Amino acid sequence: GENVEQHPSTLSVQEGDSAVIKCTYSDSASNYFPWYKQELGKRPQLIIDIRSNVGEKKDQRIAVTLNKTAKHFSLHITETQPEDSAVYFCAARLMTTDSWGKLQFGAGTQVVVTP
Amino acid sequence: KAGVTQTPRYLIKTRGQQVTLSCSPISGHRSVSWYQQTPGQGLQFLFEYFSETQRNKGNFPGRFSGRQFSNSRSEMNVSTLELGDSALYLCASSRTEKNIQYFGAGTRLSVL
Repeated sequence: GENVEQHPSTLSVQEGDSAVIKCTYSDSASNYFPWYKQELGKRPQLIIDIRSNVGEKKDQRIAVTLNKTAKHFSLHITETQPEDSAVYFCAARLMTTDSWGKLQFGAGTQVVVTP
Repeated sequence: KAGVTQTPRYLIKTRGQQVTLSCSPISGHRSVSWYQQTPGQGLQFLFEYFSETQRNKGNFPGRFSGRQFSNSRSEMNVSTLELGDSALYLCASSRTEKNIQYFGAGTRLSVL
């Protein structure tokens, strides 16, 4: 089955700097890669996702890149702000028209943005 | 539109007991997934239901089971509770044609 590894487990950045989180997946058939943000005591929320037919996607200060050949994808947060402090989870999944595999999550990255 | 609702929010049980957790998906969502979240293991997939059928299952023992009703509400049951079952259990729902999963607030289970 799919296995997703996520690094680093913790990331401390100064406000205004960039943060990068990397994930690798094992199943080359996976074609859907979401990122979730979980603030302390709250539920995970989707912040961005990418499908295997594109290499990069941006949404304001966040972007995700995908390298299918190397089977890894990354989350980039620019101009970090204190409210970006949270645990970020990557995930991977195979999706087809008629079926889908289970959504496999990485172990999470605790991001701390210091003012 | 109401979000994903999980009940109860907190549960305290003792070893050997069983527990049933409930999840009401967002209206119109037919897929419900369950996850176990622990500090050291992150989000571990338990199972996924769609139209009352289990579509995927994670690597958990048979003590963990679930079901989905015709109104898409889902329940999961854990029998013969162990200390290691203490965790936050999250439910997420999605529409059939969308991949986005929306999470509930979770049920925090403590096994003493």
